[in-house]
Amino acid sequence: SQTIHQWPATLVQPVGSPLSLECTVEGTSNPNLYWYRQAAGRGLQLLFYSVGIGQISSEVPQNLSASRPQDRQFILSSKKLLLSDSGFYLCAWSLTVNGYEQYFGPGTRLTVT
Amino acid sequence: KNQVEQSPQSLIILEGKNCTLQCNYTVSPFSNLRWYKQDTGRGPVSLTIMTFSENTKSNGRYTATLDADTKQSSLHITASQLSDSASYICVVSAISFQKLVFGTGTRLLVSP
Repeated sequence: SQTIHQWPATLVQPVGSPLSLECTVEGTSNPNLYWYRQAAGRGLQLLFYSVGIGQISSEVPQNLSASRPQDRQFILSSKKLLLSDSGFYLCAWSLTVNGYEQYFGPGTRLTVT
Repeated sequence: KNQVEQSPQSLIILEGKNCTLQCNYTVSPFSNLRWYKQDTGRGPVSLTIMTFSENTKSNGRYTATLDADTKQSSLHITASQLSDSASYICVVSAISFQKLVFGTGTRLLVSP
C-alpha cells in the first residue's frame, strides 16, 4: 500500500532563517506530487506541483521554492522565511493530475517568529 | 472564475443527530467533486469522489449528492458521532487544468 511521509511534524523558525520541508511517498512510482499551504481558517492553497523528476510548476509567486530530486521525494524550501510563511504545509500525491484522488500527508505546522 | 463555496462555515450538532453540509461551485468544465474530512492538525482524508454522471455516493454514514446542472453538492452525515468533529472540505476539479479548487471547509463540532 502507498504511504506518504512528511517531516518535521512541527517547526518553529525565526524570520530570515532557511527552510527545508521534506515529503516522501512509498508504494507507488511516478506519482504527481503537490505542496499546499493552509493558513488558519482558510482553504488549501496549492503552492507547487510536479509531474516528474525535476519538473516543478509554481502556482503563486512567493518566497518559497520546490524541488524534486528523486521520483518519490518532494522538497519545499526557502532561503529566508517571512512571518507570512507561517501555516500548515501539506504534501499530497496522486496517480494522475486530475482524474484520481489526491492523498495527503500528515502535514507540517510551521511557525515563523 | 473557478470557485468553491461551502456553507455553513461552522456547525454544532448533538451526538446522534443528522446534518447536511452544502457546496456550490463554478468550476468549469467539471471533472469530479470530492469531499474530504480533515481532523485538526492532520491532513485531509477522502470521503467520496463523484464524476459528472454520478449523483449520489455513500461511505458508511456519509452520503454525498451531486447536481451537476445546478453545480451543487451536499454531504449528509447520519447519526453523528463525536469522532465526526472535523472540517469537511469540498474540492472540485476541472477537465482542463491540473489542479483542484478547494472550498474553505465547514467546521463541524459534535457535542455529547
